[in-house]
Amino acid sequence: DSGVTQTPKHLITATGQRVTLRCSPRSGDLSVYWYQQSLDQGLQFLIQYYNGEERAKGNILERFSAQQFPDLHSELNLSSLELGDSALYFCASSPGGSSTDTQYFGPGTRLTVL
Amino acid sequence: GQNIDQPTEMTATEGAIVQINCTYQTSGFNGLFWYQQHAGEAPTFLSYNVLDGLEEKGRFSSFLSRSKGYSYLLLKELQMKDSASYLCAVRDRGGATNKLIFGTGTLLAVQP
Repeated sequence: DSGVTQTPKHLITATGQRVTLRCSPRSGDLSVYWYQQSLDQGLQFLIQYYNGEERAKGNILERFSAQQFPDLHSELNLSSLELGDSALYFCASSPGGSSTDTQYFGPGTRLTVL
Repeated sequence: GQNIDQPTEMTATEGAIVQINCTYQTSGFNGLFWYQQHAGEAPTFLSYNVLDGLEEKGRFSSFLSRSKGYSYLLLKELQMKDSASYLCAVRDRGGATNKLIFGTGTLLAVQP
């Protein structure tokens, strides 16, 4: 158990809908990262937040957005869902925004878009 | 561009040694990680290399050559529970970011 929690564990929804994925980092960690893992693809970095502010952006679609709240939990919002958005979404956290930090991953949310 | 290559699949025998290779070409480099991922589960941290050489951690060792853009993960005394995907990831050097660029992973099957 990494100490990173994610909810829900599974989510099934329809095309065109909007969902929110939630992540709580390890106690004391200030940075949160979101990754997408599709079938047969590696983990793709989406976005990083550090202490409430956006730190780095990857290949995140405009339909997706995220934020980190004062209590340091983070939410990833996915809207106008398409079949291709079906994937495992992982959140990771690290102590700071430092480039020497190791990232620890949560259990993931499996999103299925029908 | 960013490119990380690993073999797609490998098979090894229980009790043996296996080496999983990773080559990378990235615009920046600030360290290389290896993670283990069982199907449908979270990646778990195995090792980190930022300087050239070998890092040993129990049954697992990881090697890095920055000049060659090459790393390997060595697993000794293989156990059935080592059957998993092994992910190589390079940390991008870009300002204050700590983002990881992952390879597609090597699926290791350990056979009796």
